[in-house]
Amino acid sequence: DAKTTQPTSMDCAEGRAANLPCNHSTISGNEYVYWYRQIHSQGPQYIIHGLKNNETNEMASLIITEDRKSSTLILPHATLRDTAVYYCIVTNYGGATNKLIFGTGTLLAVQP
Amino acid sequence: SAVISQKPSRDICQRGTSLTIQCQVDSQVTMMFWYRQQPGQSLTLIATANQGSEATYESGFVIDKFPISRPNLTFSTLTVSNMSPEDSSIYLCSVARGQDYGYTFGSGTRLTVV
Repeated sequence: DAKTTQPTSMDCAEGRAANLPCNHSTISGNEYVYWYRQIHSQGPQYIIHGLKNNETNEMASLIITEDRKSSTLILPHATLRDTAVYYCIVTNYGGATNKLIFGTGTLLAVQP
Repeated sequence: SAVISQKPSRDICQRGTSLTIQCQVDSQVTMMFWYRQQPGQSLTLIATANQGSEATYESGFVIDKFPISRPNLTFSTLTVSNMSPEDSSIYLCSVARGQDYGYTFGSGTRLTVV
């Protein structure tokens, strides 16, 4: 079973920041938080991942709480092309549970 | 990140037949994964395929129905055997590319069983 909880859907206005929350209260010390998105009919696309520090790349920022029980993916300036299902996944990369188990994700709808 | 080529991209098959899906990666990878995505659903992991060992199947999936081959570090196949309409799904392969790169997915094979 997925170890994360996400809202089923969210709306965001184009050009505004999209903040997607994720709860992972049972995360263990060696598990990473990964974010992927899936645009309709395509394979999932990697966005960002982190262990305990906040991370930023050209696509997004990842904010992880100090207790690591939750995180937020931030798309700073959402566009219509960011409309997709966003998946938050925890996994022990390189360990015995080295695999991605997908939950139901959050459907982000960016509105014009 | 890795480039993954999946073939076929889509197919329509008769019930009772089998389809083999190919996954080719542009570089050597240790771990490959096969997923199923039923219509309107999230992705479900079928099995993990490591080169040189038998595939490890997740609960609810069996080798007789979904045999997997992993002959080398750049290639794998998934066969969907004795198909029924319930097997109509998108099947995706994925590879683990290292801690800094995470996992990369192919574009999927859209299977319709009639």
